[in-house]
Amino acid sequence: EDKVVQSPLSLVVHEGDTVTLNCSYEVTNFRSLLWYKQEKKAPTFLFMLTSSGIEKKSGRLSSILDKKELFSILNITATQTGDSAVYLCAVEATSGTYKYIFGTGTRLKVLA
Amino acid sequence: GAGVSQSPSNKVTEKGKDVELRCDPISGHTALYWYRQSLGQGLEFLIYFQGNSAPDKSGLPSDRFSAERTGGSVSTLTIQRTQQEDSAVYLCASSAGTWYSGELFFGEGSRLTVL
Repeated sequence: EDKVVQSPLSLVVHEGDTVTLNCSYEVTNFRSLLWYKQEKKAPTFLFMLTSSGIEKKSGRLSSILDKKELFSILNITATQTGDSAVYLCAVEATSGTYKYIFGTGTRLKVLA
Repeated sequence: GAGVSQSPSNKVTEKGKDVELRCDPISGHTALYWYRQSLGQGLEFLIYFQGNSAPDKSGLPSDRFSAERTGGSVSTLTIQRTQQEDSAVYLCASSAGTWYSGELFFGEGSRLTVL
């Protein structure tokens, strides 16, 4: 059965800290891995990764994919209170139909 | 439209009633997904539509749940004889297609509360 596992489940840090969020997966016919940030209702897109070893970067956020070890990490440097959210990892798989499988998310709280 | 639109944003209903949730995807997006998110949980896949192909209904939790997509655009998720465990946020998402990977664009969700 396809599955996506995120760790840690929750994390509390202070402003300025650096955090690393993990996402591991077991899916049939991997196509891409996506990271989303969910603050209230609608998840907002952060990154899409398809190739191993190529870092994607946006401001203080960066992410990389390892297709051999089947995981991805999301790094946030110099965290701010506005980074507080649930970070979701999703894997697009083509087992039968095209489907995005989501992990349960990592709840990040950044304290001032 | 400019983004994925869902209605209603909030729905409170009594146990046993039927509810309909609506999703209007981004214009031109051929793929449409419904997900359910219970409090503190991740997103649970419900159903997937792609163009005129038969939908992937493998995630629907029971036969009380059904969905349709008319004219390849607007979709309606129907829950019959609602139960308290159906209480959740129902998220709709659309994407541009399947022959290349693309991000999912989410609506704001419909929060369903079954009393």
